[in-house]
Amino acid sequence: GENVEQHPSTLSVQEGDSAVIKCTYSDSASNYFPWYKQELGKRPQLIIDIRSNVGEKKDQRIAVTLNKTAKHFSLHITETQPEDSAVYFCAASISHSGGGADGLTFGKGTHLIIQP
Amino acid sequence: DVKVTQSSRYLVKRTGEKVFLECVQDMDHENMFWYRQDPGLGLRLIYFSYDVKMKEKGDIPEGYSVSREKKERFSLILESASTNQTSMYLCASSTNYGYTFGSGTRLTVV
Repeated sequence: GENVEQHPSTLSVQEGDSAVIKCTYSDSASNYFPWYKQELGKRPQLIIDIRSNVGEKKDQRIAVTLNKTAKHFSLHITETQPEDSAVYFCAASISHSGGGADGLTFGKGTHLIIQP
Repeated sequence: DVKVTQSSRYLVKRTGEKVFLECVQDMDHENMFWYRQDPGLGLRLIYFSYDVKMKEKGDIPEGYSVSREKKERFSLILESASTNQTSMYLCASSTNYGYTFGSGTRLTVV
């Protein structure tokens, strides 16, 4: 089955700096790559996702890049703010064209700490 | 907004008990999932379901079973709870536009 590796496990950056979290996956058939943010005591929330027909996607201060050849994808957060502090999970799956997604395989998470 | 509701926020059960974790979604999604979340291990897929009465094993199905008698409800069953099943359990439902998670059930088996 799919295996997703995520690095680093903890990332501390100064407020205003950029943060980058990297993931690799093993199954070349995977074509859907979401990122989730989980604040302490809350449920994971989807923040951005990318499909394999796209190399990059951006939403305000958040961007995701995908390199299908190398089987890795990254989350980029620019101009970090205190509210960005959370645990971030990457995931990969094969998304059926008929609708819905197969079970997601998650990375182990990155605890992002924004230092004031 | 899609709502995924898990019936209990916290549960304490004894070893050997049969445990039911309930999950209900209100947006007519075909796909529903059960994950467990443990520190340092991330979220791991236990079971998922594409439709009523359909179920598929995930990565760690041992010790668990599921039931999907109605489209909106997906139940996780621990036939005989053990201490290594102490964990946070998250239910999710999905469309092409991503997953929505429930708030989680923190299960402690003593």
